[in-house]
Amino acid sequence: GESVGLHLPTLSVQEGDNSIINCAYSNSASDYFIWYKQESGKGPQFIIDIRSNMDKRQGQRVTVLLNKTVKHLSLQIAATQPGDSAVYFCAESRTGGYNKLIFGAGTRLAVHP
Amino acid sequence: NAGVTQTPKFRILKIGQSMTLQCTQDMNHNYMYWYRQDPGMGLKLIYYSVGAGITDKGEVPNGYNVSRSTTEDFPLRLELAAPSQTSVYFCASSYSGSSGTRTHEQFFGPGTRLTVL
Repeated sequence: GESVGLHLPTLSVQEGDNSIINCAYSNSASDYFIWYKQESGKGPQFIIDIRSNMDKRQGQRVTVLLNKTVKHLSLQIAATQPGDSAVYFCAESRTGGYNKLIFGAGTRLAVHP
Repeated sequence: NAGVTQTPKFRILKIGQSMTLQCTQDMNHNYMYWYRQDPGMGLKLIYYSVGAGITDKGEVPNGYNVSRSTTEDFPLRLELAAPSQTSVYFCASSYSGSSGTRTHEQFFGPGTRLTVL
C-alpha cells in the first residue's frame, strides 16, 4: 500500500552542527505532512507541519522543506543540541481523512558532544 | 489539562489472556486513535473513532476491539492475546475542526508496553 518512508535509519551529528532528516512519500493525494519527535519511553510529540501548497515552513530552529515533484520531505534542525537526540518520524495525512496519519519507520538522531 | 492519559504503563500477559488498555483525553477532542509500535518501527493505526458511538478499522485491526461510549474515553480490548501482539500501544486524539493550521495534529499518550508470553 501507499506509505511514507525514510532514507536513513540513523543519523549521527556533532553538537552545534545542522541536521537534515529526509523522508520520501508515495501518495500524491496527501496534502498535509507532519514531523514528530519521539524521545525514549515517550509518545510522539509534534514538531512542525506543512501543507502541500507550501514549499517551506520554519519554526524555532527547525525548517521543513517539501518537494512535491519528487515526493520528498526534509526536516532541518539548526545548531543541533543533545536534547534533540530522539527518533524522528514523518507522517502524512489527507483532508477529509479524519486526521488519520500514516507514519514512516523513523530516523534516530544521535547528537555527540 | 492532563492531555492524553493511558493505563497501565506496563503489562505482561500469557497467551490466550484478555485485557483492556485504557485511554482518556480531557481536551474535548472528537477524534481518537489507537496505534501500535513494534521495536524499531513506525506507528501503525489499529482503530480510530470520530465521535462517541462511531469507530472504524485502521491498518492492523485484527485481534483488537474498541468502543467509544463517551468523548473522553477510548478503550482498546485485546481478546486471546498472542505473542504477535507484543508491542507498545499509543492512544492519540485530535481536534476535528477545520480552522487553524494544525488541524491534523495528534496528541499522544505516554504508551502502554505490552508483552505476551
